[in-house]
Amino acid sequence: GAVVSQHPSWVICKSGTSVKIECRSLDFQATTMFWYRQFPKQSLMLMATSNEGSKATYEQGVEKDKFLINHASLTLSTLTVTSAHPEDSSFYICSAQLSLSGLAGDEQYFGPGTRLTVT
Amino acid sequence: EDQVTQSPEALRLQEGESSSLNCSYTVSGLRGLFWYRQDPGKGPEFLFTLYSAGEEKEKERLKATLTKKESFLHITAPKPEDSATYLCAVQGIGGSNYKLTFGKGTLLTVNP
Repeated sequence: GAVVSQHPSWVICKSGTSVKIECRSLDFQATTMFWYRQFPKQSLMLMATSNEGSKATYEQGVEKDKFLINHASLTLSTLTVTSAHPEDSSFYICSAQLSLSGLAGDEQYFGPGTRLTVT
Repeated sequence: EDQVTQSPEALRLQEGESSSLNCSYTVSGLRGLFWYRQDPGKGPEFLFTLYSAGEEKEKERLKATLTKKESFLHITAPKPEDSATYLCAVQGIGGSNYKLTFGKGTLLTVNP
């Protein structure tokens, strides 16, 4: 149980184009999903918190107009990188909160990640 | 601001050689401390959640312990398949609900 999928697993796009990444919780409903990015040999940095049916909450320094997040259902969140540039190349990982109690402290389950390369 | 420091950055062990990884943290109030395993090019895999000082959890060759300032991940008689980066994260009472703050991880290599 508690499986999270991401699609695509890798994508190469040209500078100036937009890319959409999907995150799905396969066997549970997740009211809260998270988007992280990870640079080589660095830890995960939270970009935004996504709640179903409401606007995402972005971390300081993350451009909300560049990284569009939509959480349309309890099992799907999407991250769209708009007008991508080479510096946006990174490993993007989503997670979903398995919240049986509705309390913070429940573990997050992570997707396999999406490798984005912008040329 | 919550902070997590993991040590060592990298650790090489021979198969069967037990050791421990350290995770030191500062939070205004701890909701939970989490351990994850991450293989290259993959997302983190959940291992343990610890909530209060003195708590211990075990899974196969791994045991996680927690004090008020740090957590240890003990690896007993490791095997090559235990090679991975181990990440520690905390969830504090202050700031955004549910937010995890990660350490940089410890890269564990177990040689046969």
